[in-house]
Amino acid sequence: KQEVTQIPAALSVPEGENLVLNCSFTDSAIYNLQWFRQDPGKGLTSLLLIQSSQREQTSGRLNASLDKSSGRSTLYIAASQPGDSATYLCAVNTNAGKSTFGDGTTLTVKP
Amino acid sequence: SAVISQKPSRDICQRGTSLTIQCQVDSQVTMMFWYRQQPGQSLTLIATANQGSEATYESGFVIDKFPISRPNLTFSTLTVSNMSPEDSSIYLCSVRGTDSNQPQHFGDGTRLSIL
Repeated sequence: KQEVTQIPAALSVPEGENLVLNCSFTDSAIYNLQWFRQDPGKGLTSLLLIQSSQREQTSGRLNASLDKSSGRSTLYIAASQPGDSATYLCAVNTNAGKSTFGDGTTLTVKP
Repeated sequence: SAVISQKPSRDICQRGTSLTIQCQVDSQVTMMFWYRQQPGQSLTLIATANQGSEATYESGFVIDKFPISRPNLTFSTLTVSNMSPEDSSIYLCSVRGTDSNQPQHFGDGTRLSIL
């Protein structure tokens, strides 16, 4: 059974800092890995999708990497802004399109 | 990406009643899923909604409690039956395109509170 762990559970940084969120998974036989953002009381917004054959994906200030053999992914956020404050979720797709989610990292960026 | 509309966005219900949540997608999708997010927790998959056949439920979830319909490739419903306070959660509809390599997208969810 796939298990997904996200570290840290919460993170508070001053505006402008670069930061890294971590996601680890136990079963390396994955189709892809997807990072989401969730604002309080809202649904999930897709940020980046990395296929199992890829090493990284970039979108603006976000960069996600994938090391499938070691069961790890990171989400790098450059020059953080208060608007980046949200919960970030990692989802691993291993079976027929179904995803297993981590518990998330709650990020607070202070002005 | 697909636009997903969920109704209702929130509701407050009495213990013992049932509520049906609707999920409408603006394009045909192969895979539709229903998730539950309990307060302060991450997402748990309830079931995969299969077009024209019975849904596939995950361990711990049963059809009598969470009946699901999917009459076509753009619409699905989830009913939460005989509700108790433990059913207070956010229920989320999710879709994925034509195959497992496509990204997954979510609706805004339905916030359900049971008194």
